[in-house]
Amino acid sequence: SAVISQKPSRDICQRGTSLTIQCQVDSQVTMMFWYRQQPGQSLTLIATANQGSEATYESGFVIDKFPISRPNLTFSTLTVSNMSPEDSSIYLCSVWFTNPGGGNTIYFGEGSWLTVV
Amino acid sequence: GQNIDQPTEMTATEGAIVQINCTYQTSGFNGLFWYQQHAGEAPTFLSYNVLDGLEEKGRFSSFLSRSKGYSYLLLKELQMKDSASYLCAVSNTGKLIFGQGTTLQVKP
Repeated sequence: SAVISQKPSRDICQRGTSLTIQCQVDSQVTMMFWYRQQPGQSLTLIATANQGSEATYESGFVIDKFPISRPNLTFSTLTVSNMSPEDSSIYLCSVWFTNPGGGNTIYFGEGSWLTVV
Repeated sequence: GQNIDQPTEMTATEGAIVQINCTYQTSGFNGLFWYQQHAGEAPTFLSYNVLDGLEEKGRFSSFLSRSKGYSYLLLKELQMKDSASYLCAVSNTGKLIFGQGTTLQVKP
């Protein structure tokens, strides 16, 4: 399995500020993704973090609001820019992991709980 | 369009069996995942089906019929700790599309 560490685990942020969330994986993975889970909702994909190139964003999400970096195969960051209370959510990193014995699994980090005040 | 449906809430009794259904219509498919999410925690992986049929893993089993766009998660010998949300998600090259989740309440 893959072990995924996210930082920060929780934060309270002032509106108008920006916060960067880090995602570290203990092994090299080809595909990394960022999701958002708003209160009482299911998970929604924000973007695919591409190593060495710009992230691929889903409909409704833009780079200016959610810039993403992926400098190597084990690390990615998501920045939530110019935050408003509507950005209060859990942000989750996930990876597509190929098991040594075959098959694939998608794992999630522990999540970053952001509250914007 | 993309659509994944699962019941919003279910209630079951400790020790019983419960089946959570999921139907999907998506533009791409390379597998169906089930996750468990307790309140205040991140989702944890339960199962992955890519071929039709039943996958059994301890008290949890998951079934897939690709032709019907249908899956279910079967939980046996329910325990109080199984009270959680259960998320059905379809994978398209690693990108997951989630249903709204089923909140399962296990009662004594």
